Amino acid sequence: KNQVEQSPQSLIILEGKNCTLQCNYTVSPFSNLRWYKQDTGRGPVSLTIMTFSENTKSNGRYTATLDADTKQSSLHITASQLSDSASYICVVSGTWGGSQGNLIFGKGTKLSVKP
Amino acid sequence: DVKVTQSSRYLVKRTGEKVFLECVQDMDHENMFWYRQDPGLGLRLIYFSYDVKMKEKGDIPEGYSVSREKKERFSLILESASTNQTSMYLCASSPPDRPYGYTFGSGTRLTVV
Repeated sequence: KNQVEQSPQSLIILEGKNCTLQCNYTVSPFSNLRWYKQDTGRGPVSLTIMTFSENTKSNGRYTATLDADTKQSSLHITASQLSDSASYICVVSGTWGGSQGNLIFGKGTKLSVKP
Repeated sequence: DVKVTQSSRYLVKRTGEKVFLECVQDMDHENMFWYRQDPGLGLRLIYFSYDVKMKEKGDIPEGYSVSREKKERFSLILESASTNQTSMYLCASSPPDRPYGYTFGSGTRLTVV
């Protein structure tokens, strides 16, 4: 069964600290993996997208890694800011059916950054 | 930048009402999607459309219908709203087979009382 598991479910860190969020998936055949940031009450916004051949991608203080062999990804946030408080959703796309509804969503990690 | 606009941020409707949620995108995308998002369940696909007047059921289509009369507009219809349809509804659009173009709207928080 195609699944995406994220850990931890929630995380509290102090402002300025680093943190790493995990995503494990069983989606096959694999097309790409995306990380989204979702502020409370808003829609998800894309942070990174990685295909099979990419193992690291950065977007400012966000760095995503992908190990396609172990089917694991991580999102590392450096020098956290209060505005990083949000849910982070890992989404894996399979190759079936083109882009028509073949996304498998994780349930997200809720990050709270405290002053 | 692609814009996906959902007409309402917050809606409160009564049980049994017919509810329309509207979504408009401005990038001429072929594909459009409707999701609902509930705590502990994540995002679940309700319906998607890959062309005008075309629609496909997602994972949880029961109690919903959709309409796509124009390429830029995808409407989600709750024929007779029920309290278990209280949720956050998210629209998204994308060009075919290009993951970089996948964009979500800001969401509509629907409460059915």
